[in-house]
Amino acid sequence: QVQLQESGPGLVKPSETLSLTCSVSGYSISSGYYWGWIRQPPGKGLEWIGSIYHSGSTYYNPSLKSRVTISVDTSKNQFSLKLSSVTAADTAMYYCARVDLYSYGYSGYWGQGTLVTVSS
Amino acid sequence: DIVMTQSPDSLAVSLGERATINCKSSQSVLYSSNRKNYLAWYQQKPGQPPKLLIYWASTRESGVPDRFSGSGSGTDFTLTISSLQAEDVAVYYCQQYYSTPPSFGGGTKVEIK
Repeated sequence: QVQLQESGPGLVKPSETLSLTCSVSGYSISSGYYWGWIRQPPGKGLEWIGSIYHSGSTYYNPSLKSRVTISVDTSKNQFSLKLSSVTAADTAMYYCARVDLYSYGYSGYWGQGTLVTVSS
Repeated sequence: DIVMTQSPDSLAVSLGERATINCKSSQSVLYSSNRKNYLAWYQQKPGQPPKLLIYWASTRESGVPDRFSGSGSGTDFTLTISSLQAEDVAVYYCQQYYSTPPSFGGGTKVEIK
């Protein structure tokens, strides 16, 4: 059974870089699929951030592209998100997910999410 | 970018009754070459991540009860819960994956009347 678990700091200061890691179990990232990040501000809707393939090929939402870096570590079966120059608008629940269709399709497996607050 | 608009924002339905949620895309998400609609539906309960219910507009994900069904084509789609159960209280989102960036509707909250 595929399981994903996000980890990382829950509090980030404005202008700093948000860093999160998603650990995958029950499936080898190297076996295929894109692996993505989606966020949800408190009480609001969902926003696609980006995704990565085990080869390192990435897709980023153009609205965040200048600040986002997604990387993969197949030896640890993990992938990571970095979001730079954060502001209060980046406060959200951050989910990692397996993308079940190409690089930006639907997702059948999600982590439980981790809340990141941007505040000084 | 494709904008997804859901209606209503919320609805209250009696147990055992039908719930209908609408989703409209700002442009067609029907791919002409394969005749597939690039549209998914998710259910999100409080404190939980979204759960995939339906993809390709009408294909039910494995394990999803058959009281959930999706329909529509092009720009207009519907998620129907044929007989609302207490465990169906949640927010429901549609998502298009026809073009980048993928986008979600604003959500519809379903409650018990």
